Amino acid sequence: NAGVTQTPKFRILKIGQSMTLQCTQDMNHNYMYWYRQDPGMGLKLIYYSVGAGITDKGEVPNGYNVSRSTTEDFPLRLELAAPSQTSVYFCASSYSLQGQPQHFGDGTRLSIL
Amino acid sequence: DQQVKQNSPSLSVQEGRISILNCDYTNSMFDYFLWYKKYPAEGPTFLISISSIKDKNEDGRFTVFLNKSAKHLSLHIVPSQPGDSAVYFCAANPLPRSDKVIFGPGTSLSVIP
Repeated sequence: NAGVTQTPKFRILKIGQSMTLQCTQDMNHNYMYWYRQDPGMGLKLIYYSVGAGITDKGEVPNGYNVSRSTTEDFPLRLELAAPSQTSVYFCASSYSLQGQPQHFGDGTRLSIL
Repeated sequence: DQQVKQNSPSLSVQEGRISILNCDYTNSMFDYFLWYKKYPAEGPTFLISISSIKDKNEDGRFTVFLNKSAKHLSLHIVPSQPGDSAVYFCAANPLPRSDKVIFGPGTSLSVIP
C-alpha cells in the first residue's frame, strides 16, 4: 500500500531552471494538494485539485503551475526557479469530506542556488 | 496573519508524564480541527480530529479538547512515550465543507526516557 508517492526526494536547482515535482496516489482520492513548508512555519497551500481536470490556487501559487489529467497524478511545475522557492514540498490527498484527514507523501526537499 | 497559532515551538516531557500541546485560532468559522504528527524526513500523518460541535475527543493515549469560547484547543498525550517525539501540527478547516486546511507552525515534542 504505497499511499502518496513523491519524486524526487531531493533536488538542487540553479536559479532560472525549471523542474516538475511528481506526485501520485493509489487511494482513488478525488482531492489532491501541494504544500510547501519553510523552516519554523506551518504548511502553506500552493495549489489543490478537486478532481481530474480541475485545479485551483491556494495561498501561495505564484511561481508554480499544476495539472491534473488523471485521478492518480498531480505534478507541480516550477518554471523559473528562484531562491525563495527553496523549501520542502509535500503532496497530499483526501476524500475531502468535512473533517477528513489528508494523506501526505514524504516530501521533496528542493534547494535553489 | 496567522489564523492558527501554536505559540510553543518546543516542549520537553519526561517519559510516562502528560504532554499538553496547545493551539489557538482566530476565526470563529473554523468548523473542524485536526492534529498531525510529523517525524523528520517523513510527511505528516493524521493523529486525531474534533468537530466544533464537540468539546472532547479521545483515541487511546490521545485526547483533544476544544474550548470554543476561548478559541483554543489542546492535545493531551498520556502517558508520553519516547516514540511520541515529533513535530505536532494543529490544523483547521475554515468553513463547513471547505477544501482548504490551515496549518499552525507546529510544536516539537521531545519525550525524554
